[in-house]
Amino acid sequence: DAKTTQPPSMDCAEGRAANLPCNHSTISGNEYVYWYRQIHSQGPQYIIHGLKNNETNEMASLIITEDRKSSTLILPHATLRDTAVYYCIVRGVGNFNKFYFGSGTKLNVKP
Amino acid sequence: DTAVSQTPKYLVTQMGNDKSIKCEQNLGHDTMYWYKQDSKKFLKIMFSYNNKELIINETVPNRFSPKSPDKAHLNLHINSLELGDSAVYFCASSQEGSGTGPFSYEQYFGPGTRLTVT
Repeated sequence: DAKTTQPPSMDCAEGRAANLPCNHSTISGNEYVYWYRQIHSQGPQYIIHGLKNNETNEMASLIITEDRKSSTLILPHATLRDTAVYYCIVRGVGNFNKFYFGSGTKLNVKP
Repeated sequence: DTAVSQTPKYLVTQMGNDKSIKCEQNLGHDTMYWYKQDSKKFLKIMFSYNNKELIINETVPNRFSPKSPDKAHLNLHINSLELGDSAVYFCASSQEGSGTGPFSYEQYFGPGTRLTVT
């Protein structure tokens, strides 16, 4: 059901930028890209979402390619507390569309 | 101020028992969800309620019965528990409709309930 593919794991040095890629080649015009993360066994946490323009908030930046078939989540200065599983999700807007969580990317931030 | 809360946090019980998990949100959202995360860490939606009406019911055994007494609560009752029900269950909420938009549809998750069936 998940319409995205992500690498299973990535490493990043503390203080460096973490760039997490996501492929969503079958995305349709009214579907947004959402990013969530799950730290250890806590509940997933919303990070950011976007349609076609790049987005930035206090947590991260989201870069979506012009054809919208892929995106990159950027954590500008990764800390040890950013170690988590990051999920890229495609979801149509409108009522009651589902979030399908794939297997995500395990980001390991190392000192 | 906890946005989405669940009780209990841990639940250990024997096969065949009936148990309930409670969820409450104080965000004023109109939609609530139950997700199941199994031992392989896949997070899968089970149910969704909007304004106390069931709107999503994935292929879940009818031993699982959600109940929404009001918009702020969505409880999950499980009958005749089986070993395969062992998992972490997450409640979530979002604003899906009514009122003025635009809506971002982001979901806020609770801390989870770890259910262990022995």
